[in-house]
Amino acid sequence: AQSVTQPDIHITVSEGASLELRCNYSYGATPYLFWYVQSPGQGLQLLLKYFSGDTLVQGIKGFEAEFKRSQSSFNLRKPSVHWSDAAEYFCAVGLDYKLSFGAGTTVTVRA
Amino acid sequence: DTAVSQTPKYLVTQMGNDKSIKCEQNLGHDTMYWYKQDSKKFLKIMFSYNNKELIINETVPNRFSPKSPDKAHLNLHINSLELGDSAVYFCASSQVPGIQETQYFGPGTRLLVL
Repeated sequence: AQSVTQPDIHITVSEGASLELRCNYSYGATPYLFWYVQSPGQGLQLLLKYFSGDTLVQGIKGFEAEFKRSQSSFNLRKPSVHWSDAAEYFCAVGLDYKLSFGAGTTVTVRA
Repeated sequence: DTAVSQTPKYLVTQMGNDKSIKCEQNLGHDTMYWYKQDSKKFLKIMFSYNNKELIINETVPNRFSPKSPDKAHLNLHINSLELGDSAVYFCASSQVPGIQETQYFGPGTRLLVL
């Protein structure tokens, strides 16, 4: 079955430290890949997306993600987190007209 | 200006009641969506409309009925509410159908069924 897996349910990181969120997918072909962020009490906002081409994708708010076909992964990174990065992060895969989301990773930022 | 807005923001109701959630987008998009986020934050698409026509209808109970009076609005009506309907419902829109299109989400409607 096709699926999106985010192995880390919760990550705590110190302000100023680097952050990496993992995402793995299982699909027959290379799907469209997305990262969304959901701040507390808010809707989802697109951080970045990958369709083809350069496997390192730059997004908003200083985030980037790298697509690795051999590992079926699309991990999200930020070199230095800010307290405002505390949120829920969702990896998603696009197939047909639909987005299929992972279960999300909660990021807590400590001072 | 809010791009995708939903009303109400919170909805608390009794089992068996009928309720509606409204969604409006001012982005000029053709395509709108409803998603359900359960208590474990798992997000799943329910419906999608393109230019007032239903294009995605996932396995959702018949008690849920979307209605799109025009391209800018997609409402969700729920009959005979059940405890399991408690969730956050998100509306979203995109310029056209197609997974390469960026979807813009509303702030969500938090539904609690007692």
